[in-house]
Amino acid sequence: ETGVTQTPRHLVMGMTNKKSLKCEQHLGHNAMYWYKQSAKKPLELMFVYSLEERVENNSVPSRFSPECPNSSHLFLHLHTLQPEDSALYLCASSQGVPGANQETQYFGPGTRLLVL
Amino acid sequence: AQSVTQPDIHITVSEGASLELRCNYSYGATPYLFWYVQSPGQGLQLLLKYFSGDTLVQGIKGFEAEFKRSQSSFNLRKPSVHWSDAAEYFCAVGASGGYQKVTFGTGTKLQVIP
Repeated sequence: ETGVTQTPRHLVMGMTNKKSLKCEQHLGHNAMYWYKQSAKKPLELMFVYSLEERVENNSVPSRFSPECPNSSHLFLHLHTLQPEDSALYLCASSQGVPGANQETQYFGPGTRLLVL
Repeated sequence: AQSVTQPDIHITVSEGASLELRCNYSYGATPYLFWYVQSPGQGLQLLLKYFSGDTLVQGIKGFEAEFKRSQSSFNLRKPSVHWSDAAEYFCAVGASGGYQKVTFGTGTKLQVIP
């Protein structure tokens, strides 16, 4: 596979469930990102990992828990979500070399999440 | 803090007509600018980017964008739109750093009519 892949593509869960979203990048990048995309709102950056360390956490509720076991994989663990958490969750990666100039982010297809 | 404005929420053009999508940014230094396209149910695909140099940037699928510092704009253009260009387009501005902190606009949804 090439690029950035995300699984599952669609997920329906109840508010008491626990689920995980998976992202995998095949680009040899060092930085990975989670975004939330809700209707009629700009993309919201949730988490950034650079060289497997979390470098950004934009006041995301604790019911979202990221995990980056290595530079190719990124997870988003979900528990006790609310209906307003329903959205498209996008993963992205970039080269992520510390001190480098601007880089380009490459996005996965997203996971469409519905919380009932 | 950086910000991006896409003033047009929805644009409709006829197939074969020219297209211009507007993007205005706010950033204290030289910006890094991007245009992405998103088809329904899909992730974002990079169309083009401006880091430095020539202010007219060529991208994929026949798109181009022009960086105008005096107007704080980075408008996206295409001379002749195809029905397959119907999608949502996002402008973004980035800051320098070891990892990228990018701010996205709210998007412009493009409808193409026959």
